[in-house]
Amino acid sequence: QQQVKQSPQSLIVQKGGISIINCAYENTAFDYFPWYQQFPGKGPALLIAIRPDVSEKKEGRFTISFNKSAKQFSLHIMDSQPGDSATYFCAASITQGGSEKLVFGKGTKLTVNP
Amino acid sequence: GAGVSQSPSNKVTEKGKDVELRCDPISGHTALYWYRQRLGQGLEFLIYFQGNSAPDKSGLPSDRFSAERTGESVSTLTIQRTQQEDSAVYLCASSSSIKKRTGELFFGEGSRLTVL
Repeated sequence: QQQVKQSPQSLIVQKGGISIINCAYENTAFDYFPWYQQFPGKGPALLIAIRPDVSEKKEGRFTISFNKSAKQFSLHIMDSQPGDSATYFCAASITQGGSEKLVFGKGTKLTVNP
Repeated sequence: GAGVSQSPSNKVTEKGKDVELRCDPISGHTALYWYRQRLGQGLEFLIYFQGNSAPDKSGLPSDRFSAERTGESVSTLTIQRTQQEDSAVYLCASSSSIKKRTGELFFGEGSRLTVL
């Protein structure tokens, strides 16, 4: 199964709150798990990524938590700001037959109210 | 600029016409990807080029879709006999051999295709 399931589809948070986005996968061949941020009219940009042998990675206000046994990973945005309002995509990297590609979730539209 | 450049940024066409979308990757990036993003949906993999290796075309939805890349430079995505369901933003991304292994792709701003 080359799917990554992402939830929720949309999320509204007050300024200063914590935003949490969850993803789940089935294929154990996935070998890297990045998160992308996309603003309207722009292409997605890498936000943060984690290897499957690490349970947590933090960069500033952004943290990825990874549960390998449950095949789940999540993005936490601490002290959410209106400038964080964007669509967030989780993804999983897979290498098959010499081809390396990212499989993306369907995205979460985050709105941070001032 | 030094980023991935795509053209046209917007294209409106009539059903049945052919369209060509262009991607200029970041200089030195050997890997190039095309993804499709339908309204409110995730990114759907279309095709992957890596250097002079045979491309991975496994994501192309039908034989109306094709793509070419000359060496490690420009790529064109061609959609023949366009259908309304082809309406989407077509995103191109490039990456280096090292960065793609950690899931880091560099995306352009996309070409928005509308088929009337």
